[in-house]
Amino acid sequence: GEDVEQSLFLSVREGDSSVINCTYTDSSSTYLYWYKQEPGAGLQLLTYIFSNMDMKQDQRLTVLLNKKDKHLSLRIADTQTGDSAIYFCAESDGSARQLTFGSGTQLTVLP
Amino acid sequence: GAGVSQSPSNKVTEKGKDVELRCDPISGHTALYWYRQSLGQGLEFLIYFQGNSAPDKSGLPSDRFSAERTGGSVSTLTIQRTQQEDSAVYLCASSLPVNTEAFFGQGTRLTVV
Repeated sequence: GEDVEQSLFLSVREGDSSVINCTYTDSSSTYLYWYKQEPGAGLQLLTYIFSNMDMKQDQRLTVLLNKKDKHLSLRIADTQTGDSAIYFCAESDGSARQLTFGSGTQLTVLP
Repeated sequence: GAGVSQSPSNKVTEKGKDVELRCDPISGHTALYWYRQSLGQGLEFLIYFQGNSAPDKSGLPSDRFSAERTGGSVSTLTIQRTQQEDSAVYLCASSLPVNTEAFFGQGTRLTVV
């Protein structure tokens, strides 16, 4: 079945860039997503990318997709303390079925 | 409503009792999902509804779990004879028919004591 993997923890200094990585196994993945979950809150969609793209930029966020290696990354420029949260990578095959999520990466931004 | 609404936000129940969790999706969203997030774990898919099609129940962990979606809108997830391992945050999401953006509710934190 599909599998999505992420490292569990990442710490960065305020003002630095953060890079959160994700690998997936489903070659039929059509959409790849990044969600943010703040403490005690639901999931917030940050951005998504179609599999026929290799990069998407949205303000401080840059998503890179290496479809050959099935590797997705989220770069947050000028990381702020408010960016501290759990970041989930997810994929779907676009058939309007379930999303498959990674276990989430806990990002801690140090002052 | 403006977003996906779930109730209750917190539920503490005794082992063996039945619980019902409610999800009110975004108006017009025909796809509805239930996920479970256990402490320190990722999201585990439970069930998916799309319009009037038969739901995809492949993620339900046991026959104690069931879900309904009445009138293509509100959904109820029912857990019978709750066990301590059912303790988790249950998240509901909805989306338009083509799965581009799934919007999540705040979740229901279920604690079985």
